[in-house]
Amino acid sequence: DTGVSQDPRHKITKRGQNVTFRCDPISEHNRLYWYRQTLGQGPEFLTYFQNEAQLEKSRLLSDRFSAERPKGSFSTLEIQRTEQGDSAMYLCASSLIGGDRYEQYFGPGTRLTVT
Amino acid sequence: GESVGLHLPTLSVQEGDNSIINCAYSNSASDYFIWYKQESGKGPQFIIDIRSNMDKRQGQRVTVLLNKTVKHLSLQIAATQPGDSAVYFCAETSPYSGAGSYQLTFGKGTKLSVIP
Repeated sequence: DTGVSQDPRHKITKRGQNVTFRCDPISEHNRLYWYRQTLGQGPEFLTYFQNEAQLEKSRLLSDRFSAERPKGSFSTLEIQRTEQGDSAMYLCASSLIGGDRYEQYFGPGTRLTVT
Repeated sequence: GESVGLHLPTLSVQEGDNSIINCAYSNSASDYFIWYKQESGKGPQFIIDIRSNMDKRQGQRVTVLLNKTVKHLSLQIAATQPGDSAVYFCAETSPYSGAGSYQLTFGKGTKLSVIP
């Protein structure tokens, strides 16, 4: 257990529905990342928060995706009008700014299946 | 574009033997590297990291070697155990990754299978 939690662990939804995932990072970490991982591939960066500010978005993050971190603690990732291509593992990671190490600690992920 | 890749997709080793997992990277600006272990259905687990000003770093039963000349990274696992069976990813980042976000770029992964 890394200290990063995600909820739910699994989500099955029908195409066209909206889904929301939650991530609770390690409490003292001010950086929070979302990644997407498809089967057999490494995680791909989606977006990044420093405290409550969303500072970076990947081109993978279409207009249907939105992420928030309202108080600089937990974060949510919402996908609107889900498509089958959205089926993947959504991973959250957190890290602490400062020093010369940038290790990110990952949560267990939310497995999304769009039918 | 810049990428991180792995030489071997699968690796089978006998329990008790040493394992070596290799990784090539192409981004010369990369200055920080991490090895992660991912078990089925779980998130990546941090194993060990190394900065570009080092060429070797040791942890408990693991050693990471960095050769900047040929842009090569390796993970050595000593006395491999059945619990080491997993997919291993190398990841890289730099101050220029995503305008200072230090986002990680992962390779595809190597599946390590330990034969009892």
